[in-house]
Amino acid sequence: GDSVTQMEGPVTLSEEAFLTINCTYTATGYPSLFWYVQYPGEGLQLLLKATKADDKGSNKGFEATYRKETTSFHLEKGSVQVSDSAVYFCALTSTPGTYKYIFGTGTRLKVLA
Amino acid sequence: GAGVSQSPSNKVTEKGKDVELRCDPISGHTALYWYRQSLGQGLEFLIYFQGNSAPDKSGLPSDRFSAERTGGSVSTLTIQRTQQEDSAVYLCASSRRLAGVTYEQYFGPGTRLTVT
Repeated sequence: GDSVTQMEGPVTLSEEAFLTINCTYTATGYPSLFWYVQYPGEGLQLLLKATKADDKGSNKGFEATYRKETTSFHLEKGSVQVSDSAVYFCALTSTPGTYKYIFGTGTRLKVLA
Repeated sequence: GAGVSQSPSNKVTEKGKDVELRCDPISGHTALYWYRQSLGQGLEFLIYFQGNSAPDKSGLPSDRFSAERTGGSVSTLTIQRTQQEDSAVYLCASSRRLAGVTYEQYFGPGTRLTVT
């Protein structure tokens, strides 16, 4: 079945460090890919998405590129801030228009001042 | 406008008791989802409602779990005869939904259930 694998956390970085959170997937069909973020005490919210191969999603300085050849959707940010401390979830929907999301286990990021 | 709201935010119950968790979706969102988030686990899909269609209950882990959605809006997730392994955060999400189009899901803050 479809699945999402994320790097395990927690990830601890100093402010202004470069961030990469790895995400790989297996899916039949042509999935749409998402990154959701969960700040402390809040619900998950969409960070960025990509719906086809080679698309780059970006938001708030975060980027992720849909790589079909490596089945990956790694999240990157050039310079993290303390306010980026949160749990990040990679997710997919296996075919366009389907409602069923598959989420990864989440990666906790802690940024130190 | 208001986001997805869930109540209660925290619930502690004794093993064997029944619990009801409530979700108020964003007005106008026809799709509603329930997920379970256990410690160290990803989000586990439980059930999906879309308009007046029959819900997709394929993710419910046992017949102790049930959910309903009244009037196409508010939803209640009921867990009967709770067990300790039911302890988790239960998340509700809603989205717009048109055939062939997947819209962003908006999540509520969750209900943390602890079964003692």
